[in-house]
Amino acid sequence: AQSVTQPDIHITVSEGASLELRCNYSYGATPYLFWYVQSPGQGLQLLLKYFSGDTLVQGIKGFEAEFKRSQSSFNLGKPSVHWSDAAEYFCAVDLDYNTDKLIFGTGTRLQVFP
Amino acid sequence: ETGVTQTPRHLVMGMTNKKSLKCEQHLGHNAMYWYKQSAKKPLELMFVYNFKEQTENNSVPSRFSPECPNSSHLFLHLHTLQPEDSALYLCASSQEGATQYFGPGTRLTVL
Repeated sequence: AQSVTQPDIHITVSEGASLELRCNYSYGATPYLFWYVQSPGQGLQLLLKYFSGDTLVQGIKGFEAEFKRSQSSFNLGKPSVHWSDAAEYFCAVDLDYNTDKLIFGTGTRLQVFP
Repeated sequence: ETGVTQTPRHLVMGMTNKKSLKCEQHLGHNAMYWYKQSAKKPLELMFVYNFKEQTENNSVPSRFSPECPNSSHLFLHLHTLQPEDSALYLCASSQEGATQYFGPGTRLTVL
């Protein structure tokens, strides 16, 4: 079955440090790929997406993600984390553009220490 | 108002109550979605509407009843819920299967 795996449930980094959040998917073809962020008590905000083309994608708030077909991965990164980045991050895949069905990972909670 | 709005933001109800959640999108999209977000579980897609027609019902119990009167509004009618239905209910919208934009959610507690 198709699935999305975020292996890290909780990550803690110091402010100013670099960040990488991992995402792997299980699917034969290349899906559409998304990263969303959720602050406490809030809905999901789109950070970035990959449909095709350049495999390094730039998003909002200084985030970027790289699609690696050989590894079925779409890892999210940021060179220097800010305290306001503390939130939960969700990777999602859209396996079929026509079905409007997103499959989400279980999320990674990011904690930032000053 | 811009984006996707949801009301109420918080709801506490007993198992015998009937209540409704409302979602409104101001983005001109033609597809709307209901998701359930429970602790320590992935977001679960519940329903999908395209041009007001339901195109997906992800094996959701009948105590949840969606309604989409037009492309901008989506309701989730609730009746005889169970405590395990307590969760954050998220609404989203998109344009023809493209990127989904989410509302802030309704935090539902069933007593």
